[in-house]
Amino acid sequence: GQQLNQSPQSMFIQEGEDVSMNCTSSSIFNTWLWYKQDPGEGPVLLIALYKAGELTSNGRLTAQFGITRKDSFLNISASIPSDVGIYFCAGANRDDKIIFGKGTRLHILP
Amino acid sequence: EPEVTQTPSHQVTQMGQEVILRCVPISNHLYFYWYRQILGQKVEFLVSFYNNEISEKSEIFDDQFSVERPDGSNFTLKIRSTKLEDSAMYFCASSERVTLHFGNGTRLTVT
Repeated sequence: GQQLNQSPQSMFIQEGEDVSMNCTSSSIFNTWLWYKQDPGEGPVLLIALYKAGELTSNGRLTAQFGITRKDSFLNISASIPSDVGIYFCAGANRDDKIIFGKGTRLHILP
Repeated sequence: EPEVTQTPSHQVTQMGQEVILRCVPISNHLYFYWYRQILGQKVEFLVSFYNNEISEKSEIFDDQFSVERPDGSNFTLKIRSTKLEDSAMYFCASSERVTLHFGNGTRLTVT
């Protein structure tokens, strides 16, 4: 079945650093979604991408829908402590079936 | 901003017991979902529901699971006879189309 490969699995960075994570697949998706999950809470939508090549920002977050429709990346600029959490990519295919990546766990070092 | 609400936030049950997890999706959404997340792992799709019927289900969603929309606002997940491996966070989500909005989850602990 379809799978999303999300990397890196885990990141340890200093406050103020920029962060980059990505999702790739051998399958084509029509929509890419990026979510953040804080401990004990449900995933919260950060950015939704609906068109190949689309580049969208939400504050310090920027995400792009890859031109091949098989990948997407999420960048966080100037990280702050509240950015800590797990970031999930999700892709929706033409049947609107949504699958999730395994997540990138972001840690910020004191 | 409208949100998906789930109750209870935490449920502890004995193996073999039935549990019902409740969700109130966002009111104008048409698609409803249940996802499961075992501790430390990814969010796994269980089932989607549209137009009062299941539109898709995963291999996890076996005969022990059922969903219902008993009235115009609630969406429930029933596990008929819980197993230890059913212990997980269960998230309800709703959408107008593909952009899912999640509730805060119900932590199910089966002992």
